[in-house]
Amino acid sequence: EVQLVESGGGLVQPGRSMKLSCAASGFTFSNYGMAWVRQAPTKGLEWVATISYDGSSTYYRDSVKGRFTISRDNAKSTLYLQMNSLRSEDTATYYCTRGTVATGFAYWGQGTLVTVSS
Amino acid sequence: DTVLTQSPALAVSPGERVSISCRASEGVNSYMHWYQQKPGQQPKLLIYKASNLASGVPARFSGSGSGTDFTLTIDPVEADDTATYFCQQSWNDPPTFGGGTKLELK
Repeated sequence: EVQLVESGGGLVQPGRSMKLSCAASGFTFSNYGMAWVRQAPTKGLEWVATISYDGSSTYYRDSVKGRFTISRDNAKSTLYLQMNSLRSEDTATYYCTRGTVATGFAYWGQGTLVTVSS
Repeated sequence: DTVLTQSPALAVSPGERVSISCRASEGVNSYMHWYQQKPGQQPKLLIYKASNLASGVPARFSGSGSGTDFTLTIDPVEADDTATYFCQQSWNDPPTFGGGTKLELK
């Protein structure tokens, strides 16, 4: 069974940093591209970043480019999101997802809440 | 970015058929996917590539469309289908989601 378990969320002040992790199990992690999708409170879903199966390619939405870094450790089956210079508008539940262009985001973690506030 | 437009809310009675629409601001081929999200839970994939049923999803759910107009149909609707339904396109970069349609049962 595919499992994605996020951790690392919490309350952080504007301008500070936070690193999210996603532990994957139940599949061969190194074979799949992974992504982060976020959802602001009572709002819709927003794609944040994608990383290829081997980490060689990364993609970001414009509003996080230069501030967020997606990475992975295939030996540990873990996905990361390093978030710097956080803003109030980054407040959201962040979901770790596995998917492809053809299948959509087929698997989701339970999410971790990031609150950016002073 | 490709904007996906959904109706905000629908109300139907159990046993009825409901169609939820999603219109794209530009063509997305057949690369439209549908998700169900219940309060306090993560989204769940229902339909991928417009019309393919995801694993474990009841056959009451179906999808259709191509280009810019897509539909998710639930027939018959059950009480457990109360949720918000999102469409998402993966043909154009960046991937984008619709605003969601909240389905309520009468």
